[in-house]
Amino acid sequence: RKEVEQDPGPFNVPEGATVAFNCTYSNSASQSFFWYRQDCRKEPKLLMSVYSSGNEDGRFTAQLNRASQYISLLIRDSKLSDSATYLCVVNKEGYSTLTFGKGTMLLVSP
Amino acid sequence: ETGVTQTPRHLVMGMTNKKSLKCEQHLGHNAMYWYKQSAKKPLELMFVYNFKEQTENNSVPSRFSPECPNSSHLFLHLHTLQPEDSALYLCASSHSGQGGKTEAFFGQGTRLTVV
Repeated sequence: RKEVEQDPGPFNVPEGATVAFNCTYSNSASQSFFWYRQDCRKEPKLLMSVYSSGNEDGRFTAQLNRASQYISLLIRDSKLSDSATYLCVVNKEGYSTLTFGKGTMLLVSP
Repeated sequence: ETGVTQTPRHLVMGMTNKKSLKCEQHLGHNAMYWYKQSAKKPLELMFVYNFKEQTENNSVPSRFSPECPNSSHLFLHLHTLQPEDSALYLCASSHSGQGGKTEAFFGQGTRLTVV
C-alpha cells in the first residue's frame, strides 16, 4: 500500500457544484494531516490542516477518519478559481518528514 | 509574501556546467527539504535535513549534491546534469519534532532547464 494515496482525477465539475476528495494513508502512527493546493507551474500552498474533530474554513471542510486511515476535503459552491491540484499531506513516522500524495486535479467549468 | 526564498528563479545551464540553487527560510524552522517536480508530474522528495543533518536521501543521483550549513540555509549543487533533469526544484521548510505544527512552507521554486 502506498504511503499516501489519492485519486489523480481530473474531477470536472460545473461552477456551484460540491465536490469531495479522499486520501488514504498507510502509517497508523501519523499525527498531522494537511491539504495543500498547487496551481499550474506554482509552488504548493497550505490550504488547511486537518484535525481529528473535523474543521471548516469557509467553503472548505476537512475530515479525518483515523480508524479507516483516510482524510477528506469537501468543497462547496465551487468557483472557477478552485481549479487546481489538491495535495494530501501526512506527517510520516509521527513527526517530521511530510509525505505528499500525488495530488487530485480539479477543473471547475462555467 | 513567502518566508522561504529561492534563488535563482530561473536557470539555464549546459550539461558541463556547475551551478548551485539556494534556499533561505526566515520562519525559525529546523527541517528543510528539496523536491523535484517535472512537467505535469507529482512532487518527488529528494533530500530532507533536520537540524542541519541529512535524514533522507531519496536515491538521488550524485550529480545533485545538497548542503545545509545551518538551519536557515539549504543549497543544491548541480554538476554534469542531463536534459531530463530539467524541472521545477522546490525548497520547503517546516518544524520538526513531535507535536506542534509541522506544515511545510514552500519557496517559489527554481525552474531549471538543462541544454
